[in-house]
Amino acid sequence: EAGVAQSPRYKIIEKRQSVAFWCNPISGHATLYWYQQILGQGPKLLIQFQNNGVVDDSQLPKDRFSAERLKGVDSTLKIQPAKLEDSAVYLCASSFGGPYGYTFGSGTRLTVV
Amino acid sequence: QKEVEQNSGPLSVPEGAIASLNCTYSDRGSQSFFWYRQYSGKSPELIMSIYSNGDKEDGRFTAQLNKASQYVSLLIRDSQPSDSATYLCAVSESENTGTASKLTFGTGTRLQVTL
Repeated sequence: EAGVAQSPRYKIIEKRQSVAFWCNPISGHATLYWYQQILGQGPKLLIQFQNNGVVDDSQLPKDRFSAERLKGVDSTLKIQPAKLEDSAVYLCASSFGGPYGYTFGSGTRLTVV
Repeated sequence: QKEVEQNSGPLSVPEGAIASLNCTYSDRGSQSFFWYRQYSGKSPELIMSIYSNGDKEDGRFTAQLNKASQYVSLLIRDSQPSDSATYLCAVSESENTGTASKLTFGTGTRLQVTL
């Protein structure tokens, strides 16, 4: 079974620039999550999709962050404009359903300078 | 705000010893509990899940759950240098239903297994 694919692995941008991350979940997984993990902290949920609908985006900074999941498969997360405090690893995870835990992708490490 | 608390460590144990990692959570409605291992620069990897009070064993790992006291623990027996990593505790409101529920993570405990 192929894992959760994410790209790019690393990204360095200047503040106020925009950036986009891509995620392809495990085939058949209806639920997709984007988490932000700041160095030294645990992952924090940004947004949860069930198929192509949003289930929870309560912690997504909507003035600068946006996410979509077209056709209930791939997803993109965008930041525009980026701030220094957005420097973090952005993790995508997917789940078949139920409380069985997630499978995480390898993450995108974003550095904003 | 639902919280999951862990001691950040580092927790240092000698090779072959038992490592004990603890986690407390604030939401009494939490139903599912997970331990993830995260090596430096890598993504979290699920190692244990537990849903009922008591102990659950898987190889060298034992998860313990006490819902009345709102704590979860992970014991690692015969600790190896390869166990050196950050261990993240995560909790979910979801019971055994078809709809996946979000996980709330603690900040993690860094474990160092010394030779």
